[in-house]
Amino acid sequence: EAGVTQFPSHSVIEKGQTVTLRCDPISGHDNLYWYRRVMGKEIKFLLHFVKESKQDESGMPNNRFLAERTGGTYSTLKVQPAELEDSGVYFCASSPLLGFTNTIYFGEGSWLTVV
Amino acid sequence: KQEVTQIPAALSVPEGENLVLNCSFTDSAIYNLQWFRQDPGKGLTSLLLIQSSQREQTSGRLNASLDKSSGRSTLYIAASQPGDSATYLCAVNTGGFKTIFGAGTRLFVKA
Repeated sequence: EAGVTQFPSHSVIEKGQTVTLRCDPISGHDNLYWYRRVMGKEIKFLLHFVKESKQDESGMPNNRFLAERTGGTYSTLKVQPAELEDSGVYFCASSPLLGFTNTIYFGEGSWLTVV
Repeated sequence: KQEVTQIPAALSVPEGENLVLNCSFTDSAIYNLQWFRQDPGKGLTSLLLIQSSQREQTSGRLNASLDKSSGRSTLYIAASQPGDSATYLCAVNTGGFKTIFGAGTRLFVKA
């Protein structure tokens, strides 16, 4: 069974440019999450989808970040325009719908460097 | 506000040693606690998940305990091996599907 897959694995962009990260959750997982870890900090929650609906986006840092999950399958996280402080690793995770007592499965992350 | 602290931040041990990693959290109202492993440049691998009603979970050489009342969890690694070298992360779920992470403990096991 395929795990959570993320693309691209690494990206280097200039300040002011746009980057779109993609996440494919484990098949059948209705819950999809985005987290990120910026340099020297803990992994922080960004937002949570149930199917195509945003359930909690309280962790989104500002309106330069836009997450979508059209059709309830894969998700994208767009950063526009990117700033230097956006550099870090962006993790996607998924879990089954039944309650929040389940293991959360993480992808390998998309490593973003803004220069 | 839930805060998760991991001690020590880094640990270096000789191969074969038994070791304990510590995790503490400020709010005991958690649904579960999960230990993850992260290898350099890689994603997070779930090691053990302890539900709030449980006291411990075991998987191979790993044993995780949970004491909700004191806000503590430990990850015990028996007979450590160089392949155990990684960052170990503790994370708590306080409901609402939001997981709060600690900063991690970087473990290095010397051959």
